[in-house]
Amino acid sequence: EAQVTQNPRYLITVTGKKLTVTCSQNMNHEYMSWYRQDPGLGLRQIYYSMNVEVTDKGDVPEGYKVSRKEKRNFPLILESPSPNQTSLYFCASSQEVYNEQFFGPGTRLTVL
Amino acid sequence: ILNVEQSPQSLHVQEGDSTNFTCSFPSSNFYALHWYRWETAKSPEALFVMTLNGDEKKKGRISATLNTKEGYSYLYIKGSQPEDSATYLCASADRGSTLGRLYFGRGTQLTVWP
Repeated sequence: EAQVTQNPRYLITVTGKKLTVTCSQNMNHEYMSWYRQDPGLGLRQIYYSMNVEVTDKGDVPEGYKVSRKEKRNFPLILESPSPNQTSLYFCASSQEVYNEQFFGPGTRLTVL
Repeated sequence: ILNVEQSPQSLHVQEGDSTNFTCSFPSSNFYALHWYRWETAKSPEALFVMTLNGDEKKKGRISATLNTKEGYSYLYIKGSQPEDSATYLCASADRGSTLGRLYFGRGTQLTVWP
């Protein structure tokens, strides 16, 4: 089954404790992206990747890191999480940026 | 940052009504326009991606049009059903140095009453 998986689905953590949210797709897609969704603000792009080893900043990259060492995986790293990073995070992938994106199930992160 | 705007912010219609909403985006350097349907507690699901001026796409009772010269897209739902209740998002991608960035509007929340 074609899908995008994210782990964990829910996470409560404390300020400053490094965490990684994994994202994996099994569709051999070139393009992958991370978004955060906050009430009243819609989806905002954090980072995206056009291909392996190619990543770029989106609208709100501060406080986040990503890597794309393999085509299927695109982890989101929060080196020192802060409460303003409490949000719902989505990973998505598509063949190219002009193709429809497939979204993962979302990760709800709370930083205390 | 591209300014992508959607209107109205929310819409309440009766079952059987047809409805439409708008997505506005900067027309210069346009590359692609996406529409997604997002139900509560689920993930966004793709409806259409359009790239050419004058594009029209249809999926069942839902259709969309694109005008890249004036920078807008319409989404139409014919004969709305309660299961159409969702937030409808549009997103724009542009060419040039920011190719790869996708800018989402804040969505139109549709409620269809039986």
